[in-house]
Amino acid sequence: AQTVTQSQPEMSVQEAETVTLSCTYDTSESDYYLFWYKQPPSRQMILVIRQEAYKQQNATENRFSVNFQKAAKSFSLKISDSQLGDAAMYFCASKSGGYQKVTFGTGTKLQVIP
Amino acid sequence: DAEITQSPRHKITETGRQVTLACHQTWNHNNMFWYRQDLGHGLRLIHYSYGVQDTNKGEVSDGYSVSRSNTEDLPLTLESAASSQTSVYFCASSESGGAGNTIYFGEGSWLTVV
Repeated sequence: AQTVTQSQPEMSVQEAETVTLSCTYDTSESDYYLFWYKQPPSRQMILVIRQEAYKQQNATENRFSVNFQKAAKSFSLKISDSQLGDAAMYFCASKSGGYQKVTFGTGTKLQVIP
Repeated sequence: DAEITQSPRHKITETGRQVTLACHQTWNHNNMFWYRQDLGHGLRLIHYSYGVQDTNKGEVSDGYSVSRSNTEDLPLTLESAASSQTSVYFCASSESGGAGNTIYFGEGSWLTVV
């Protein structure tokens, strides 16, 4: 079974600053995938970034990047140049390669301060 | 564009009534999922299906059922609604195989049981 832990229920960041959201996971699989989803007040789940465990290079998507530490089972999300539109709930998630089920963390609510 | 739609988006029902939430996707994805989202719990898997006539229980399946008669639809039925089932429900889908490692969500269905 996979578990995903987000230990920061809430975070805040000044507009234009950088913030890092933490996530740890546990899995016995060697083939797995990790994701960050954003959920704005509209409740729509939006994929922010994904990381294949077999890739050593950290994934990046514009202002969003991850720090994937495989040995430590850590998968943090860094948001650079934070914008007001980044305010949302962020969920870390994992999926094993052999199965289609996705396991989610409990989420981190990000507040962006103007 | 392909999409995944849920209906109704909002519903209020009484304790003991049967309720069905519809989910329809036009991506022709084999895999479909139902999650519920509650404060402090993130998203928890209720039921999932890997194809027509296939259904499986997730971690919080008690009181819920699904059926998969075609590729496009996975309706979720609450047999006898309880107040504990007041939640936001998300349907999701993904492809099978190596490309099926990203899950796409519907916009959610808000269910209130009074």
